[in-house]
Amino acid sequence: DTGVSQNPRHKITKRGQNVTFRCDPISEHNRLYWYRQTLGQGPEFLTYFQNEAQLEKSRLLSDRFSAERPKGSFSTLEIQRTEQGDSAMYLCASSLGNRVGEQFFGPGTRLTVL
Amino acid sequence: DQQVKQNSPSLSVQEGRISILNCDYTNSMFDYFLWYKKYPAEGPTFLISISSIKDKNEDGRFTVFLNKSAKHLSLHIVPSQPGDSAVYFCAASAHGNNRLAFGKGNQVVVIP
Repeated sequence: DTGVSQNPRHKITKRGQNVTFRCDPISEHNRLYWYRQTLGQGPEFLTYFQNEAQLEKSRLLSDRFSAERPKGSFSTLEIQRTEQGDSAMYLCASSLGNRVGEQFFGPGTRLTVL
Repeated sequence: DQQVKQNSPSLSVQEGRISILNCDYTNSMFDYFLWYKKYPAEGPTFLISISSIKDKNEDGRFTVFLNKSAKHLSLHIVPSQPGDSAVYFCAASAHGNNRLAFGKGNQVVVIP
């Protein structure tokens, strides 16, 4: 069990560019979550997958954001036409079965939009 | 709106003493509560949880207390150790809802 991994760990981009992040959950976990954390705040929920189905999306997830989990394993989060306000830590978490708690988090991808 | 609130953003405590972190929530639908610990450059790590059917849960040095009528929970760490120095997040979820709502976190510094 290598835990949840995320790539890249850091991303610096210019405003208007597109970026894509990847999350590899713990292998047997069927649930995958994306959160965003800004400075001085706790993580904020963005979206949730059960296997390959995206079952829940926060209103924070504007139409510039899209997430996929095509084979029910890894997931990608894409941000199109990035804005400076998108600068944040993007956290991925996974869990098994019906236990809402005990979501296991990855180290995050820190995005800086210049 | 902040449904989970953690006041007193930082706490300093002497090694061996008790650390007490407080958390208040506003959503009466929350029925499961968790504490996460976060070190710099790492993701949050699950620490301890409590269901709304209980008022106390203990795991080693960590105890969480839940007061549903006051919509308040607290985390006690005793004895505090230097390795406990981290940011602690309170989180909550409602039955049937898979999202966690987090507080802003408390920075704990344990002084050797």
